[in-house]
Amino acid sequence: QKEVEQNSGPLSVPEGAIASLNCTYSDRGSQSFFWYRQYSGKSPELIMSIYSNGDKEDGRFTAQLNKASQYVSLLIRDSQPSDSATYLCAVNRASGTYKYIFGTGTRLKVLA
Amino acid sequence: DAGVIQSPRHEVTEMGQEVTLRCKPISGHDYLFWYRQTMMRGLELLIYFNNNVPIDDSGMPEDRFSAKMPNASFSTLKIQPSEPRDSAVYFCASSPGYSGNTIYFGEGSWLTVV
Repeated sequence: QKEVEQNSGPLSVPEGAIASLNCTYSDRGSQSFFWYRQYSGKSPELIMSIYSNGDKEDGRFTAQLNKASQYVSLLIRDSQPSDSATYLCAVNRASGTYKYIFGTGTRLKVLA
Repeated sequence: DAGVIQSPRHEVTEMGQEVTLRCKPISGHDYLFWYRQTMMRGLELLIYFNNNVPIDDSGMPEDRFSAKMPNASFSTLKIQPSEPRDSAVYFCASSPGYSGNTIYFGEGSWLTVV
């Protein structure tokens, strides 16, 4: 079992729809959770971080964390073609360290 | 502000040659990371430094890989000798060590070993 698992996709959604990206992790003691966006040929850039159970909203993005079920998700409302990218889930296993474990990413395609 | 600067951006080398990748972190950032990204394995942490000191190198694949950080503004990742399976994108990243441990990536060095 991989430590951080994501469906590789591609996930295709029409423009204006809600895109839902999911990530599961194996270490129950994980502390911090991050979503990165990576455009083809570019470096990852941080979209959101979440540390507590529940939802965290930032503009069109909502991160959801459920530690009991060991999953974290990212919702993108009103999806735009410019959101087409690979979304990487990252998990920090221990507070105070930088041992991020990244998933292999989900490729999102927003169709105009 | 300048971001994380990496060089070279692209390198093609022959098997057995030495490869040196360079990184300049964001000024004032205390943490520096080297990652490798491949299609099969995704983004893997190779090593990270805090205040120029290596903290965790458990991700370094084997003795052919070495990393140094002689000062706060410069780091190198060296592969000697290089092999085709080392072909990947190597990212350097840095972090100020606060604000939720956010890390900032450079543009990457695309390495091809033939």
